[in-house]
Amino acid sequence: GENVEQHPSTLSVQEGDSAVIKCTYSDSASNYFPWYKQELGKRPQLIIDIRSNVGEKKDQRIAVTLNKTAKHFSLHITETQPEDSAVYFCAASRDRGGSYIPTFGRGTSLIVHP
Amino acid sequence: DSGVTQTPKHLITATGQRVTLRCSPRSGDLSVYWYQQSLDQGLQFLIQYYNGEERAKGNILERFSAQQFPDLHSELNLSSLELGDSALYFCASSVTSTGTDTQYFGPGTRLTVL
Repeated sequence: GENVEQHPSTLSVQEGDSAVIKCTYSDSASNYFPWYKQELGKRPQLIIDIRSNVGEKKDQRIAVTLNKTAKHFSLHITETQPEDSAVYFCAASRDRGGSYIPTFGRGTSLIVHP
Repeated sequence: DSGVTQTPKHLITATGQRVTLRCSPRSGDLSVYWYQQSLDQGLQFLIQYYNGEERAKGNILERFSAQQFPDLHSELNLSSLELGDSALYFCASSVTSTGTDTQYFGPGTRLTVL
């Protein structure tokens, strides 16, 4: 089955710096990659996603890049703010009979220091 | 507030017992997904229902079962509980069955097995 590795497990940055979280996946058939943000004690929330027919997607301060050949994708957050502090999860999924079943990375705890 | 509700918020029970977790999706959403989040296993997909029918299955134990009712609410039944079943259980809902549209997570049910 699919295996998703996520690095780093913890990332500490100063406010205003950029943060990059990287994930690799094993199943070359995976073609949908969502990213979730989970604040402490709260529910996961989808922040951005990318499909395999696109190399990059951007939404304000957040961007995701995908390298299908190398089977890795990354989340980039620019101009980080304290409210960006949370655990971020990547996931990889593929169509299995009409449903995309996600396999999640173990999460990255992002700490943004004011 | 995502519009997805889960009850109860917390559940404490003993090994060997059976519990039922309940989820009400957002109005208009036909898909319900169940996830387990634990320190050991991270975030894992358990099962998906779409409009009353089981759509996809993940790493769901045989001791666990789920169903989606005609009013679209869903229940996750966990039986013969073990200490290792202690976790946060989330449900999520989305409009379609594919899983590539935004999944909205509920607040979760924290299960503690003593």
